[in-house]
Amino acid sequence: AQSVTQPDIHITVSEGASLELRCNYSYGATPYLFWYVQSPGQGLQLLLKYFSGDTLVQGIKGFEAEFKRSQSSFNLRKPSVHWSDAAEYFCAVGAGDSNSGYALNFGKGTSLLVTP
Amino acid sequence: DVKVTQSSRYLVKRTGEKVFLECVQDMDHENMFWYRQDPGLGLRLIYFSYDVKMKEKGDIPEGYSVSREKKERFSLILESASTNQTSMYLCASSLLPAYSNQPQHFGDGTRLSIL
Repeated sequence: AQSVTQPDIHITVSEGASLELRCNYSYGATPYLFWYVQSPGQGLQLLLKYFSGDTLVQGIKGFEAEFKRSQSSFNLRKPSVHWSDAAEYFCAVGAGDSNSGYALNFGKGTSLLVTP
Repeated sequence: DVKVTQSSRYLVKRTGEKVFLECVQDMDHENMFWYRQDPGLGLRLIYFSYDVKMKEKGDIPEGYSVSREKKERFSLILESASTNQTSMYLCASSLLPAYSNQPQHFGDGTRLSIL
C-alpha cells in the first residue's frame, strides 16, 4: 500500500526566506501526489497536484513542488515566505486504482511557523 | 468553486449519545470521505463512499457508521459516543475518476467534544 512520510513535524523560517517542506512516498508505480495547506480552524485547501508529465508543478500562492522518482520525493518549495503562510501542510499520495477506492493517504503534516 | 459544507463547526455531546455529523457538497461529486484529525496523527480515513447507498470502511471505522441516501449528502454517525472520539472531523468530496485520483475538496471541519 502507498504511504507518505513528512520528516519534519515543525519548521520555523523568517519572513522573506525560502522554504522547502519534505515529502517522501512509498509506492511501486507512478503515484498521484498532492500538497494541501490547513490554516488554523479551517479545512484543507489544495495547493498543487502531480499526475504525470513535467516533474516541476506550479501551484497557488506561489508554491511549487518537484517530483523526483529516484528519491521518491515530492518536496514543496516557496522562494519567499510571507507571514500568512504560517499553517499546517500535508502531503498526500493516491494509488489511482479502484482497489483503493481512490482514497488518498496523508502524511502527518508539517507545522510552519513564520517569524518576523 | 466546489463547496463542501459541514453542518456544525463546534459540537459538544455526552458519552453514550448518538451523534450525527452532516456533510453536503454542491458539485455532483461521486466520492465522499470522512476523516478524523488528531495532533501528531494527521488525517485518518474513517469511511468513504463512491456512490449513493455505497460505503467502504477506511482505516479506523470502529465505533462509526455512515449513511449516503442522496448523492450530495454523506453523514457520519457515532452510534454511542465515547470520550476517545473527541476530535476534529473533516469531510471531503471528489470526482470519480476514470484512471487517476482526483483532488479532494474539504469542508471546514467539525470540532467534536465528547464529555
